[in-house]
Amino acid sequence: ETGVTQSPTHLIKTRGQQVTLRCSSQSGHNTVSWYQQALGQGPQFIFQYYREEENGRGNFPPRFSGLQFPNYSSELNVNALELDDSALYLCASSPGLAGVGGDTQYFGPGTRLTVL
Amino acid sequence: GNSVTQMEGPVTLSEEAFLTINCTYTATGYPSLFWYVQYPGEGLQLLLKATKADDKGSNKGFEATYRKETTSFHLEKGSVQVSDSAVYFCALSDNTNAGKSTFGDGTTLTVKP
Repeated sequence: ETGVTQSPTHLIKTRGQQVTLRCSSQSGHNTVSWYQQALGQGPQFIFQYYREEENGRGNFPPRFSGLQFPNYSSELNVNALELDDSALYLCASSPGLAGVGGDTQYFGPGTRLTVL
Repeated sequence: GNSVTQMEGPVTLSEEAFLTINCTYTATGYPSLFWYVQYPGEGLQLLLKATKADDKGSNKGFEATYRKETTSFHLEKGSVQVSDSAVYFCALSDNTNAGKSTFGDGTTLTVKP
């Protein structure tokens, strides 16, 4: 197993721009979830994808969108960036549906996004 | 909605001291409960989990018991080491809502030699 990887590690954008963050899940993991972690807080659930379809969403506006691809990679897209979008963005993958029966999530190291 | 409340930190202990980090939750249905650990400069790692009431999760000397009557999942370790210094997150996963996970705000533990 190669683990969950994310790119880039750090990113600086200006308000109003658009950003794409990438995640590579472990092979065979059908579920990927994305989280936003503000400084000093716990991760907040953004959405989850299961076999390339969105399968649950947290309290985030539509300008947060995602894609999951057949090769176990995924993207988080954020349009019209705001200053409050500055955070660590985490992706997590799991073999089945995360949460059902307590399936374990495997987290990547995160992408640190700074919006100026 | 679901929520997780952790004891406020930071927590500073001497090596070999007993550790308790309190965690209580609010959820509908029957969630699964987790403790994650984040070491300095690293990502979140699952420490232990419990999927039903009265289950005890354990790993690396850490334990936590799923108490449905008190809606709690307190983390304990009998003798902490310097290497246990990290941020600990309590979380729940709602089995009825596409596996959405809800995290507490984390407790920073520092263990001094």
